[in-house]
Amino acid sequence: KAGVTQTPRYLIKTRGQQVTLSCSPISGHRSVSWYQQTPGQGLQFLFEYFSETQRNKGNFPGRFSGRQFSNSRSEMNVSTLELGDSALYLCASSLDGFSGYTFGSGTRLTVV
Amino acid sequence: TQLLEQSPQFLSIQEGENLTVYCNSSSVFSSLQWYRQEPGEGPVLLVTVVTGGEVKKLKRLTFQFGDARKDSSLHITAAQPGDTGLYLCAGDGNSGYALNFGKGTSLLVTP
Repeated sequence: KAGVTQTPRYLIKTRGQQVTLSCSPISGHRSVSWYQQTPGQGLQFLFEYFSETQRNKGNFPGRFSGRQFSNSRSEMNVSTLELGDSALYLCASSLDGFSGYTFGSGTRLTVV
Repeated sequence: TQLLEQSPQFLSIQEGENLTVYCNSSSVFSSLQWYRQEPGEGPVLLVTVVTGGEVKKLKRLTFQFGDARKDSSLHITAAQPGDTGLYLCAGDGNSGYALNFGKGTSLLVTP
């Protein structure tokens, strides 16, 4: 079966711009979570959605937001980009959000 | 936040050697997961351990969950170049529906 698909794979943006990243989960998976990975901080949890509802949110500023659609696809948005937002953004899907996470290949965001 | 500390941070060994990677916390986890991540890709789940004292084997990889469910280890026997990657441990977050990750052990196995 198809895995978790993240688009785009690479993105270069300028400080102050905004960006939207997309994640299509494995068919049948209703939970989608997002993580930011940087060399200094490792993987940090951003937020998790289940059936279009945000159930949990990590410790990130309000510039980071997300949503989930009725087909379980999810998007995350970062507004007013800062240089420190440069990172690999990973999406993971699971049936219920408790276990069996499958990660996508990520979107590499570079802010210049 | 429940912190997971992994050691060593970096490991460079030759093919055929054995190695152990550690994942420690002061918090109790109901489960711990181990992932391997290759450059430019997302983490891939290797195993989930849920019972204190549990040992799981996956070919040349052996995973242990501490009796108190605060720590775990990954032992690789006769490492191969294909084992090269970033090994991450992750525990279920105390607020649910989230994973707390360690910063990982970067393993390089040279022929």
